[in-house]
Amino acid sequence: EADIYQTPRYLVIGTGKKITLECSQTMGHDKMYWYQQDPGMELHLIHYSYGVNSTEKGDLSSESTVSRIRTEHFPLTLESARPSHTSQYLCASSEPGPSGNTIYFGEGSWLTVV
Amino acid sequence: GDSVTQMEGPVTLSEEAFLTINCTYTATGYPSLFWYVQYPGEGLQLLLKATKADDKGSNKGFEATYRKETTSFHLEKGSVQVSDSAVYFCALSDQRSFQKLVFGTGTRLLVSP
Repeated sequence: EADIYQTPRYLVIGTGKKITLECSQTMGHDKMYWYQQDPGMELHLIHYSYGVNSTEKGDLSSESTVSRIRTEHFPLTLESARPSHTSQYLCASSEPGPSGNTIYFGEGSWLTVV
Repeated sequence: GDSVTQMEGPVTLSEEAFLTINCTYTATGYPSLFWYVQYPGEGLQLLLKATKADDKGSNKGFEATYRKETTSFHLEKGSVQVSDSAVYFCALSDQRSFQKLVFGTGTRLLVSP
């Protein structure tokens, strides 16, 4: 199991506030991801990273931004939160190897914008 | 593009019943296949995986076999417990798509005593 940590787990903020969701992994994985999931719904990839200084947009358009300055850290930022950003955000990292790519998830950050 | 199709839920079973959750996939390459489980209020946990045809992944009494001929990866368990109640996601990862996971829509399992 990979050790991947997300903070905060739960956050309620007002419209227009800037927020950063933190994600850290201790396994030295190069590839990291952010998925968005509305309650009871499917997951959508919003950002990913090959490694340090690499960030890419995912399959679902998102107003959030990410950065990757260190291998272990992949924070997601919303400059001005809106109620439509209310969702669960799941950070993940993947393990390289000959047996295939296994992606491990953090416990998620539940964001509510009021 | 790659896609995963899961049976719709919820699946409602009594304790000790046999479970099958169907999953089929479409991929142009040779993907790895996964089942993830999400308990209420939590993130996704890897349940099992298979990386090539005819591989069987297993964990905690759950099993799934990678069937290339039918492009399927059905999840099974012989005797479910109340604690198995969760949402189960089938997913694939293709080397050519940067190892991104493509998820199914998830199947909610409800097990009653």
